[in-house]
Amino acid sequence: AQTVTQSQPEMSVQEAETVTLSCTYDTSESDYYLFWYKQPPSRQMILVIRQEAYKQQNATENRFSVNFQKAAKSFSLKISDSQLGDAAMYFCAYRSAGSDYKLSFGAGTTVTVRA
Amino acid sequence: EAQVTQNPRYLITVTGKKLTVTCSQNMNHEYMSWYRQDPGLGLRQIYYSMNVEVTDKGDVPEGYKVSRKEKRNFPLILESPSPNQTSLYFCASSPWAGGTGELFFGEGSRLTVL
Repeated sequence: AQTVTQSQPEMSVQEAETVTLSCTYDTSESDYYLFWYKQPPSRQMILVIRQEAYKQQNATENRFSVNFQKAAKSFSLKISDSQLGDAAMYFCAYRSAGSDYKLSFGAGTTVTVRA
Repeated sequence: EAQVTQNPRYLITVTGKKLTVTCSQNMNHEYMSWYRQDPGLGLRQIYYSMNVEVTDKGDVPEGYKVSRKEKRNFPLILESPSPNQTSLYFCASSPWAGGTGELFFGEGSRLTVL
């Protein structure tokens, strides 16, 4: 079974600064997807960014970027120019491209943005 | 609008009183899944379904049942709820093959069992 580890329960960042969230995963598969989901106080799960394992280029979505290190099984999220609206819980997730197509989540990191 | 709809959004019930949380998606997705979210544990999969009449257990299926009689609906049934099933529940769906692998989530159902 795949496991996803987020080692930072909480992170705090000053508005306009940069914060990096860590995520590592364990898998024996070569083909898979990685995601970062954001969960604001509304509880809605919002996709922030995705990465396909076969792509070497790191994904970027506006102020959000990832550092994908396949050999190290690491998938960190960088939030640049942090805004108050970025305050939320962030979940790293792994999804197999194999038979069960299961999505496994980390425990989450709560991001606080200081004005 | 493409969406996954769960009902009820909030529910307080008592131990042993059967309840059903409904989930419906309008995106013609083959794959549907239920998760529960608990503090410090992230989201854990309860059951999933790869298509109509095909369901399988996830990581924490005890105390839950599901059915998939129609492609769009995937209800979660708690036959005899207990306090340890107090949680935030999410239904999610995606295409089975192809696409980006992204799961589309409902808005969550907060369940309290007294």
